[in-house]
Order: sequence, then structure tokens, then C-alpha cells
Amino acid sequence: QVTLRESGPALVKPTQTLTLTCTFSGFSLSTSGMCVSWVRQPPGKALEWLALIDWEDDKFYSTSLKTRLAISKDTSKNQVVLIMTNMDPVDTATYYCARRNYFDSTGYAFDIWGQGTMVTVSS
Amino acid sequence: EIVLTQSPGTLSLSPGERATLSCRASQSVSSSYLAWYQQKPGQAPRLLIYDASSRATGIPDRFSGSGSGTDFTLTISRLEPEDFAVYYCQHYGSATGTWTFGQGTKVEIK
Repeated sequence: QVTLRESGPALVKPTQTLTLTCTFSGFSLSTSGMCVSWVRQPPGKALEWLALIDWEDDKFYSTSLKTRLAISKDTSKNQVVLIMTNMDPVDTATYYCARRNYFDSTGYAFDIWGQGTMVTVSS
Repeated sequence: EIVLTQSPGTLSLSPGERATLSCRASQSVSSSYLAWYQQKPGQAPRLLIYDASSRATGIPDRFSGSGSGTDFTLTISRLEPEDFAVYYCQHYGSATGTWTFGQGTKVEIK
């Protein structure tokens, strides 16, 4: 069974750096085709894709946020970390991690999602 | 970057009725890169449809996707009480390796 779980601070101050961790099970990021992505959702608003890392350690970022984002993986721990710098109140959102299985028929979508973690940016 | 526009913003229907949701892309896209998700309050999104028309594992056959080019449709043939939710379309941009979501359509009980 594939599961993903997000963790990180519930509250950060403006200008601080946010570090979120996605811990997953049921698959490995060393397996060809496996990828983990981050998606966020401000309260009452739409989903916004942020970043993705794949089994070859290739990294992809949202065009509008790429200067503030860094994604990395620790294959031995089954974890993916997202760092977002210079946080602002508009970054208040629920942050989700999700799996992409590139070699599956669902390959261009995210087939399994974590439950999300809410992050509030406020002084 | 492709922009996805979903319509209507809100759809008010009764259980048993048919729901038709639209997703329009700002330029022609490959059907292979178009997906639909369902999101209920307080829950994570769930993959419904990929490749524009293929149902994900465990998705009931009352959900169907269709379309090509710039116009895509998610149809729920007969609404069940558990289908009242927000639905998002998503596109993968192969040129940039990035994803885009539409702004969502809320299907609410009339």
C-alpha cells in the first residue's frame, strides 16, 4: 500500500524559510519511473503545483516560484524535502505531496496524495 | 504556459442528475497530458481521470472524461450524494516539465 505523509511547521514568520518533509512508503524513489511532487492550496482556493523530483534526481519547479524553491530526496529514508525561502502571508496554504509513476498508464498525473499539512505565515 | 479555464464555477444539481464540467486550455494540448481530480472538504485530491478519458483505479463508471485539443469534459452520469465536491482539471506541459491546474468547479446540492 502506497502512502505519503507531509510534516513540517504549522506556523512560520514572514521572511523565514519553510522546510517540509514528505515521508512515503510502498514505493522507492530509486525505482525507475517514481517521482514525488509538491502541490499547495491556499484556503478556499485552487491547487497550485510547486515542484517534482524523479528517480534520476532530476528536479522541476513552478516557473513563478522557482527562485524560492528547492526539492531534494533521501532515498534511504524514503523522504522528499521541499524548501521554500522568503515566506510571505500569501504562502499560507495546505501543502501536499503526491506520487507520480512515470512508467504507469497514469504517468502524467499524480495517483496517490498525502493528507496535506497546513502552513500559516504570520508574524 | 498553458492556462486551464474551468466552467462553470459552481454547478447546482440534485442527486440523480447529470453533471457536465468543462475544462478549456489556452492552446491545443495532448489528451495524454490531461487529468481530472475530485476533492472533498478537508481531504486531499483524488485522481479520477487520466489521459483525458481513462478512469483511475477504483473510480465508478458513472465518471467519464472526453475531449481533445482545447476542450475537455468531465461527465458524471448520475450524481450520487458522495459526488458533491470540487473538481479540478490538470495539464502536464511536456515542453517545460511543469503542471497546471484549473481553478476548479464546485458541484453542490441544489
